[in-house]
Amino acid sequence: QKEVEQNSGPLSVPEGAIASLNCTYSDRVSQSFFWYRQYSGKSPELIMSIYSNGDKEDGRFTAQLNKASQYVSLLIRDSQPSDSATYLCAVNTLGGTSYGKLTFGQGTILTVHP
Amino acid sequence: DTAVSQTPKYLVTQMGNDKSIKCEQNLGHDTMYWYKQDSKKFLKIMFSYNNKELIINETVPNRFSPKSPDKAHLNLHINSLELGDSAVYFCASMVTGVGEQYFGPGTRLTVT
Repeated sequence: QKEVEQNSGPLSVPEGAIASLNCTYSDRVSQSFFWYRQYSGKSPELIMSIYSNGDKEDGRFTAQLNKASQYVSLLIRDSQPSDSATYLCAVNTLGGTSYGKLTFGQGTILTVHP
Repeated sequence: DTAVSQTPKYLVTQMGNDKSIKCEQNLGHDTMYWYKQDSKKFLKIMFSYNNKELIINETVPNRFSPKSPDKAHLNLHINSLELGDSAVYFCASMVTGVGEQYFGPGTRLTVT
């Protein structure tokens, strides 16, 4: 089993719709979770971090975490063509230590079409 | 501008050569990383330094040698380059304990 697994893409949604990106992880002691956005040819850009169970909202983005199910998701409301990118789920797999060893999923390519 | 910067942005070289990539951050972070992103876009950690001390060393060939002269700089030297080393190498930094890592623009290495 992969340490961090994302739903296979690519994902295509119409403009204005909700895009839902999912991620599961295998290390039960993981404490921190991140979503990065990566445009083609660019570096990963941190868009959301979540540390406790529940929802965390930031603008059009909502991250959801369920540690019991080892599941983290990202919802993008009112999707825009500029949201088209690869979304990377990252999990700190060093448990509660101070040093962040991020393990990344394989990424989900999102395309928002007008 | 405050950021994580890398040089060079592109590096094209022949098999067997030795090359270095440099990274600098002026965010005041104390932990820095090297990641490799392969042709399938999979991003994998290679090394981590905290205040010049090596913290994480993943299963990386010892042809790769990181060096951190101070907490704002992390360099990567690669000896005897191989075709399989072709990838994009990203530097990242973080404040210890916070968890959020910020990435540099990447160095695209092509070995011919």
